[in-house]
Order: sequence, then structure tokens, then C-alpha cells
Amino acid sequence: SAVISQKPSRDICQRGTSLTIQCQVDSQVTMMFWYRQQPGQSLTLIATANQGSEATYESGFVIDKFPISRPNLTFSTLTVSNMSPEDSSIYLCSAEGGNNGIQYFGAGTRLSVL
Amino acid sequence: QKEVEQDPGPLSVPEGAIVSLNCTYSNSAFQYFMWYRQYSRKGPELLMYTYSSGNKEDGRFTAQVDKSSKYISLFIRDSQPSDSATYLCAMSEGSGYSTLTFGKGTMLLVSP
Repeated sequence: SAVISQKPSRDICQRGTSLTIQCQVDSQVTMMFWYRQQPGQSLTLIATANQGSEATYESGFVIDKFPISRPNLTFSTLTVSNMSPEDSSIYLCSAEGGNNGIQYFGAGTRLSVL
Repeated sequence: QKEVEQDPGPLSVPEGAIVSLNCTYSNSAFQYFMWYRQYSRKGPELLMYTYSSGNKEDGRFTAQVDKSSKYISLFIRDSQPSDSATYLCAMSEGSGYSTLTFGKGTMLLVSP
């Protein structure tokens, strides 16, 4: 298994600003993932981050709004840009546990945009 | 039709009860099936993992997969108040580093 550390754990931000969320894994992994979890909803995949290449975004999510970095095999960041109240949500990162579909999750970042 | 259907609950049971949580799915290519437990204000924690059809038991937890019916279940025996959480089913085609598809999660409340 992998241990995922994510920070900040929560933040309150003003409309129009940006927030960068960091995700650290305790072992080297090929794939990392970023999700959004809204109340009463399932986890929605934002993008998949493979080290050394551009992130792959899911339908409805764009790089200008959610730029992702993946500088090495243990670290990734997600930036939520030009925030609006609709971006208030929990953002989760995860890391793959092998090519069997298992993913291990961080504790999440609870974001509120005023 | 959503790809994975899961009753959101809440499901309220007394301590000691047997709990049954279920998901149905439509994608016949799913081969890997997982149950995650998520406590309030925490990230999802992998609870059970099953490949293809069959049963898997781990302590008080049993996961069942019926691919012919596209139906998976998680049973919790002798439920405890500490089992109170949201349980998310998740599935993957598993071909290479494939993505997970989640259900909405079922909130379970176990009262002492």
C-alpha cells in the first residue's frame, strides 16, 4: 500500500484567487490521480498525472482551470485557478497501487470559496 | 443509466446487526472491484478488493461479486458503532493503469 500526504487539509479562499494543493506519496508510483468530491456525489475524476508527460483531463475539466504538475514519481500538485464559489468542494489525490485498479487516497483538501 | 448505481442511504442499524451494502453496474468490462470506507472529513480507505467473480472474506467483512448479474455486495457481520461511515464501491477494467469508477456511496449508521 502507499501512504498519501495531502496539504492543505482545508482552506477558505476569495473569489478570483488560486490555490495549489500538494500531494506526496511515500513510494514511487507511475500514476497519480486528482478527484473532486461534492456533497452527496460520487468521486469525480479531474485528471490523471503520469510523471514526465502532460496530465490527461476528463471531460468537463480543462488545464487552464486545473493545471497539474508531476515533477517526479512521488509528488504532484493541483492548482484550482480563478476560483468561484462553485469550486467549493473536497479535492482528493490518489496514487495507483499497481496495474490492478487499486488506488490509495490522501485525506483530501476541503476548499471553500467566498 | 449511470455506470455504477449505489443506494446513498442512510442505512441505520443497531450494533451487532448484519449489514448488506450493494452496487450494480452496467460495464461488463469491469474486472476489479473494490470497497472503500470513508469516515467524515477523511479520504477513502481501501477495505476490500476482489478480482472477477467470487467471494472474499476478511474478518467481519465479506465481499461478493456476481459478474453475470453485474452486482457486487459487501457484508459486515457483528456491526460496530466504529463501522459508521460512508462505503463507496469502485470498479476498474484493470487493463494497465485504468481509472476507477465510483458509486455515490452509502452512509451507514450503527447505533450502540
